[in-house]
Amino acid sequence: DAGITQSPRHKVTETGTPVTLRCHQTENHRYMYWYRQDPGHGLRLIHYSYGVKDTDKGEVSDGYSVSRSKTEDFLLTLESATSSQTSVYFCAIRESRGGSTDTQYFGPGTRLTVL
Amino acid sequence: GDSVTQMEGPVTLSEEAFLTINCTYTATGYPSLFWYVQYPGEGLQLLLKATKADDKGSNKGFEATYRKETTSFHLEKGSVQVSDSAVYFCALSENSGYSTLTFGKGTMLLVSP
Repeated sequence: DAGITQSPRHKVTETGTPVTLRCHQTENHRYMYWYRQDPGHGLRLIHYSYGVKDTDKGEVSDGYSVSRSKTEDFLLTLESATSSQTSVYFCAIRESRGGSTDTQYFGPGTRLTVL
Repeated sequence: GDSVTQMEGPVTLSEEAFLTINCTYTATGYPSLFWYVQYPGEGLQLLLKATKADDKGSNKGFEATYRKETTSFHLEKGSVQVSDSAVYFCALSENSGYSTLTFGKGTMLLVSP
């Protein structure tokens, strides 16, 4: 357990509304990531953060923005939700241990449905 | 760019059968390789990993060997159980930069009693 929580765990919203998903970690990890999981695609990286206020785009960043104003929270925002953003969203942290390769650990996920 | 290819599922086995899930990769550097498992309704859990050629990762009876010459990281288990039914993801991470993960599409394993 890497101390990662996501909220909400489930959300149903309508097309065109803004949505914010929250990822919270308790162990002061520097790196955090947002992925989406879709059938037939595995997991794809949306955005990641390498420190407070330091973020960058991943493979599927269009339509998403992120913010990280403090170490423990990484927010993912859909400015105007579309049906193609219906998905399961996972947050991850990267754990670094001296002498061992860095490893990502995942939160429990948020299931988002856009009607 | 980097990519990971897994065998398509579902893989259907009887309890105590031998399991192999194939995974091959393409990478520009010398990546670390991972297997994650996702049980129904849950998030991803790290199953095992290997960081360099010929390393063998193992956990809960599962094994995978990093084969640089064939760019493969096949997952094996000698005797599967019903509780192993899940989706298995192969992934790689370049050991530089921001270490983002590139995933395969996942392979569903169904084990019947």
